[in-house]
Amino acid sequence: ESVLTQSPATLSLSPGERATLSCGASQSVSSNYLAWYQQRPGLAPRLLIYDASSRATGIPDRFSGSGSGTDFTLTISRLEPEDFAVYWCQQYGSSPFTFGPGTKVDIK
Amino acid sequence: QVQLVQSGSELKKPGASVKVSCKASGYTFTIYAMNWVRQAPGQGLEWMGWIDTNTGNPTYAQGFTGRFVFSLDTSVITAYLQISSLKAEDTAVYYCATSPCTSCPLDYWGQGTLVTVSS
Repeated sequence: ESVLTQSPATLSLSPGERATLSCGASQSVSSNYLAWYQQRPGLAPRLLIYDASSRATGIPDRFSGSGSGTDFTLTISRLEPEDFAVYWCQQYGSSPFTFGPGTKVDIK
Repeated sequence: QVQLVQSGSELKKPGASVKVSCKASGYTFTIYAMNWVRQAPGQGLEWMGWIDTNTGNPTYAQGFTGRFVFSLDTSVITAYLQISSLKAEDTAVYYCATSPCTSCPLDYWGQGTLVTVSS
């Protein structure tokens, strides 16, 4: 089973700042099948990025994903008020399709 | 547009069973796999497994075998998650989510169903 780690656990930033979130895998993610999801309080997760760097339909271009192998990054170029949420990475290259423990982006 | 509408919150006693439904609309039901994800209160996401909506064949992640059953009723375009012999630690929000293929991200999600297990 591929174990994912995320850092930092909490990121405290102000609107307009850049956010950089990391996701690491215990083994290389097959075909870079790595997704990022956003979850706002009380809501279901929403797919942001898939295949490590492709934006899902309707996702603003301030969200970008990069990385390969075991190290991946989600970048939010300029934080908007609605971006303060929890972010999860998930690998879907090998079953079970594990999630990371999440990064909370909160307002400084 | 793709929509997944789940059944409402449930309060169950330990040892009871629960069946959560996930009704799909806006797409051809049998071309997307249906996944189930658990989120305990204040905790992370756990992928429980998925069901092939074409064949009805389920795949369960470790830790979700035995008491957990995925099923379908294609006549009403609905997927189900049944949990038997409920325990307090099954208290969680359960989400259904589609994926276009086996090794694909979860692109559309239901709103979640809170199952509370308490005596």
